[in-house]
Parts: sequence; structure tokens; C-alpha cells
Amino acid sequence: EIVLTQSPGTLSLSPGERATLSCRASQSVASRSIGWYQQKPGQAPRLLIYSTSTRATGSPDRFSGSGSGTDFFLTISGLEPEDFAVYYCQHFSETFVIFGGGTKVEIK
Amino acid sequence: EVRLLESGGGLVQPGDSLRLSCAASGFTFSTYAMTWVRQAPGKGLEWVAAISGDAEYIYYGDSVKGRFTISRDNFKNTLSLQMSSLRVEDTAVYYCAKNLVNGIAVYDAWGQGTLVTVSS
Repeated sequence: EIVLTQSPGTLSLSPGERATLSCRASQSVASRSIGWYQQKPGQAPRLLIYSTSTRATGSPDRFSGSGSGTDFFLTISGLEPEDFAVYYCQHFSETFVIFGGGTKVEIK
Repeated sequence: EVRLLESGGGLVQPGDSLRLSCAASGFTFSTYAMTWVRQAPGKGLEWVAAISGDAEYIYYGDSVKGRFTISRDNFKNTLSLQMSSLRVEDTAVYYCAKNLVNGIAVYDAWGQGTLVTVSS
């Protein structure tokens, strides 16, 4: 069973800074199977990135995804005030879906 | 506009049953796989169950297999989750979500969630 490990658990940054979030799979996975979500308190998750690097409709271009094999990344090129939130990566197979534990991006 | 509206949550005792519903609108419901995802208080996301557009394929997470049943009514545009033998650890906000596209199980639309509390 695949496990997704996100790091760091918390990222403390200032507005305007660049954020790089990591998602490591316990075994190699297909690039099409990785997505990223943003969740703010009291809200449902919002899809940001799918197929490792494709931005979802409405996702700002400061969000980008990269990676392959076991290591995947979400980069926020310059943090806006509304970007401080929790981010989850997700992997799907034909029969199973799993989420990473999340990375909280907080204001420093 | 895609809209998903969950209902049916509430406070139940361990061992009880509960049925959640999700009313969908704004898209051709029958052509999209749907899923339930839950989130325990202060915790991360956990995938619960998924069902294909024609209900031919159904999958469950290990923690709910044998206790929960996902179903859909494509005439009423409704997704359901029948939960039985509920446990304290099933306490969570339950979200229904729509697949982005068939073959890519990421979720581009989510409901607001319904809270299920299992407590004696």
C-alpha cells in the first residue's frame, strides 16, 4: 500500500516569499496520479494541481507542480495573503485513493 | 455552476447506522464518478469510497470496508453513503466530491460537508 509523506509539516514564511512543499510516495507512482489541494479553515478542499503539473481551472499561475517517480513538489512562487492554508497531495490508483498528511503554510 | 449539497449528518451512538446524501446539480451527474472523503476534527483528509458514473465500479477505503455502502441514483442526481456499525473513530466531516474527469480521480468540486459525530 502506497503512503504519501508530506514535508515539512509546517512552513513559516512571509508574504512574497517562495514556498516549496514536498510529497514523497513510498513507491514510484505515475505522474498522472498526483494532485494537490488547498484547504482553508472551515472550508472544503480546493483542487489546485492535477497530473503532477497541470493547473486546475481557476488556480493562479503562481502555483506550479513538478516531480516524478516518488518525489513531487508544489511551488508557490510568491505567497499572497490568501495562500496561507493547509495543502494536501493525493495519489490515485484504479481502486484506491490516498492523501498525504498535509503541510500548513503559516505567516511568519 | 456545479453544486454539491450534503445532508444527513448528526449525532449517533456507537453501533448505530446513518445515511448521508449528496444532491448534485450543474453537471451531467451520470457521466462522472463520485466519491466520499472525510476529515476528522483537526485531522487530514481520508478517502472513504468511490463509485463510477454507472455504478458498475465501487471501491472502499480499508477502514470502512464492510460497514459503509456507497450508492447513487442517476435519475435523482443523488449520491448516498449508508453507514452502519458506526464507531467513535468515524466522527468526521463527510464531503462528497466529483471526479475531474473519468480516469483521473482528483476532485474538482466538493460539497460543504456534513458532520457526523459518533459518541455515547
